Amino acid sequence: EVQLVESGGGLVQPGRSMKLSCAASGFTFSNYGMAWVRQAPTKGLEWVATISYDGSSTYYRDSVKGRFTISRDNAKSTLYLQMNSLRSEDTATYYCTRDAEPGYFDYWGQGVMVTVSS
Amino acid sequence: DTVLTQSPALAVSPGERVSISCRASEGVNSYMHWYQQKPGQQPKLLIYKASNLASGVPARFSGSGSGTDFTLTIDPVEADDTATYFCQQSWNDWTFGGGTKLELK
Repeated sequence: EVQLVESGGGLVQPGRSMKLSCAASGFTFSNYGMAWVRQAPTKGLEWVATISYDGSSTYYRDSVKGRFTISRDNAKSTLYLQMNSLRSEDTATYYCTRDAEPGYFDYWGQGVMVTVSS
Repeated sequence: DTVLTQSPALAVSPGERVSISCRASEGVNSYMHWYQQKPGQQPKLLIYKASNLASGVPARFSGSGSGTDFTLTIDPVEADDTATYFCQQSWNDWTFGGGTKLELK
């Protein structure tokens, strides 16, 4: 059974940093691209970043470029999202997802809440 | 960015057929996918590449379309289908529609 379990969320002040993790199991992690998708309270879904199966390629939405870094450790079957210079508009539930070719998200974690507030 | 436009809400009676539309601001070939999200839950993949049913999804769900206009159809609708439905394209980066909230009468 495919499982994606996020951790690392919480309350953080504007301008500070936070790192999210996603532990994957039930499939060969190193064979799949992975992505982060977020959802602000009562809002729709918003793609954040994608990383290729081997970590050689990364893609970001414009609003997080230069602030967020997606990475992975295939030996640990873990996906990461390093978030720097956080803003109030980054407040959302962040979902870890498996990116099945060609670019749809076939498995989702339960999500982790990130609140950016002073 | 490719903008996806969905109607905000629909209301139907159980047993009826409902079509949920998604229009793209530019062509996305057949790279359109559909998700269902119930309150307090993570989204669930329903349809990928416009018309392919995801594993474990009931055959009451179907998808159609290509280019800029796509449709998710549920026939017949059941009470458990109350949810918000999102379209998503992966032809030009990745973007989601605003979601269509489906309510049952």
